Amino acid sequence: DIQMTQSPSTLSASVGDRVTITCRASQNINSWLAWYQQKPGKAPKLLIYKASSLQSGVPSRFSGSASGTESTLTITSLQPDDFATYYCQQYDTYPWTFGQGTKVEIK
Amino acid sequence: EVQLVETGGGLIQPGGSLRLSCAASGLTVSSNYMTWVRQAPGKRPEWVSVIYSGGNTYYADSVRGRFTISRDNSKNTLFLQMDSLRLEDTAVYYCTRVLTTGSSGWIPFDFWGQGTLVIVSS
Repeated sequence: DIQMTQSPSTLSASVGDRVTITCRASQNINSWLAWYQQKPGKAPKLLIYKASSLQSGVPSRFSGSASGTESTLTITSLQPDDFATYYCQQYDTYPWTFGQGTKVEIK
Repeated sequence: EVQLVETGGGLIQPGGSLRLSCAASGLTVSSNYMTWVRQAPGKRPEWVSVIYSGGNTYYADSVRGRFTISRDNSKNTLFLQMDSLRLEDTAVYYCTRVLTTGSSGWIPFDFWGQGTLVIVSS
């Protein structure tokens, strides 16, 4: 199975900060990488697909990039609604797998 | 507007069976790739199974041989038959859609239901 490793596990930030979360795949996933936001008690919400494509309706302060097996989610100017847990997920090869998550907390 | 509504969860003893349903509106289950994703308390989501529009099915190793994904086209409903349940199957089970596009490839899990909780406990 392809292992997805996110860093950091927890991130403390303030409103207005630029935030970067990294996800590393254990093998090449050909940019078939998605990012999700999840709030307590809710289903995950798709933010980014194919490493850098913004899902419809998602604010433009969210962006994704990829280089080799490393992918990055960036949130420019963090908003109060953005405090949540973020997961990366590869969909290159079954079984599709998720990273362990990054919790973005209020500093 | 797309809505996915899961039902069928509950408390079940180890070794028991449950059948989860996902009633869809705003999309046609038979024309889409539909999946089940589960999330144990405090854990990352875990992909469980997918059924293609053509009928092909795939499963995570952890459930292969015990779970069966299927659909009823007349009811526009997705199912997950879960047999030989184990303690480690305890999770919220979500019904999701994978959008297959020509130019952008696949867009995974763009719609989710609210989830149904399955608790396996003696």
